[in-house]
Amino acid sequence: DIQMTQSPSTLSASVGDRVTITCRASQSISRWLAWYQQKPGKAPKLLIYKASSLDSGVPSRFSGSGSGTEFTLSISSLQPDDFATYYCQQYNSYSRTFGQGTKVEIK
Amino acid sequence: EVQLLESGGGLVQPGGSLRLSCTASGFMFSSYAMSWVRQAPGKGLEWVSAMSGNGGRTDYADSVKGRFTISRDNSKNTLYLQMNSLRGDDTAVYYCATKIRGVTGILDAIDMWGQGTVVTVSS
Repeated sequence: DIQMTQSPSTLSASVGDRVTITCRASQSISRWLAWYQQKPGKAPKLLIYKASSLDSGVPSRFSGSGSGTEFTLSISSLQPDDFATYYCQQYNSYSRTFGQGTKVEIK
Repeated sequence: EVQLLESGGGLVQPGGSLRLSCTASGFMFSSYAMSWVRQAPGKGLEWVSAMSGNGGRTDYADSVKGRFTISRDNSKNTLYLQMNSLRGDDTAVYYCATKIRGVTGILDAIDMWGQGTVVTVSS
């Protein structure tokens, strides 16, 4: 199975900060990676697919990059609505593994 | 309106069975692969199972293989998850999910989620 490791697990930041979350795959997944945002009690929301493609309606302050085994999600200027938990997911192999999540907290 | 609505969750004893349903509306259900994803209380997301639009391919997470069965009835726009031999670590919110925007396939990101149904396995 492909393992997905996110870092950090928790991130404290202020409104306006640039934040970056890293996701590493245990083997190459090409660019078959998605990023999701989840708020408490809600279903996840797709932000990025195929490593760097922004889903419809997602603000342009979100961006994704990477290929192979290392990927990043960046938020250029953190907004109050962005405080949430973020997950990466590989869909290169049948196991479709999620990372363990990164919680973005208010500093 | 494009929507996924799960039902069938509840409290079940260890070793018991439960069948979840997901009714889709607002899109051509038979054209889309569907997945189940779960989230244990206070934990992260775990993909559980997926089925192609015509039902010809099914995939399962190792943690549920041999115990869970995914199926669909395209005439009823409904996806199912039959869960047998349930264990405490199956306790979770179960989401029905799919990708409906752009080019889609069974191995794909997820851009549409239901609201989830809660399964609790406890004696």
